[in-house]
Amino acid sequence: QVQLVQSGAEAKEPGASVKVSCKASGYTFTNYKIHWVRQAPGLGLEWMGISNTGDDGSRLAQKFQGRVTMTRDASTGTVYMELSRLRSEDTAIYYCTRDGGHWGDNEYWGQGTLVTVSS
Amino acid sequence: QSALTQPPSTSGSPGQSVTISCTGTSSDVGAYNHVSWFQQHPGKVPKLMIYEVNKRPSGVPDRFSGSKSGNTASLTVSGLQAEDEADYYCSTYAASTYYVFGTGTKVTVL
Repeated sequence: QVQLVQSGAEAKEPGASVKVSCKASGYTFTNYKIHWVRQAPGLGLEWMGISNTGDDGSRLAQKFQGRVTMTRDASTGTVYMELSRLRSEDTAIYYCTRDGGHWGDNEYWGQGTLVTVSS
Repeated sequence: QSALTQPPSTSGSPGQSVTISCTGTSSDVGAYNHVSWFQQHPGKVPKLMIYEVNKRPSGVPDRFSGSKSGNTASLTVSGLQAEDEADYYCSTYAASTYYVFGTGTKVTVL
């Protein structure tokens, strides 16, 4: 069965970077794109970007350009999202989610990774 | 690109129907049949309920239905049940930003 397993919670100081991983299994890794979505405490969902697992390309929401890097390791079926220059407003749960080949059919989600930014 | 506009909250009694709107523009909701809806219970991972405006993934009850008219998409929950109480988010493709979520709607079952 399809599974997305994310790395554990992180606590970072402002200005630092965080790298969250998302390990996929149960399907052919390079056949489906992986999105990253975050949710700040008590707030809504925010799309961050998409990782093209086939060629290691990515497309980022404008808000995150210059601060987010998305990469993948096809040999392990893992996608990474690195967010730099952290600030308190980046405190959120970060989710990876896989689409199903049709736009927007993000049926599979990781369990979420809580990133807390505080001095 | 601003988030799609949803009403903050709505409510209904068990057995009734509720409809949640999701308003965008002619560049996103109005331009593509790429509207999805997600359900999220407190502390849980979002769950896909509808994609491509009106398609249900396997396992989603047919009480959930989606539609679109112009720049506004809608999710209707018929025969409301206690377990339907949750937050609901729409999303769509937008050529300029690729992907955008709605502001979210809290559904309360009275």
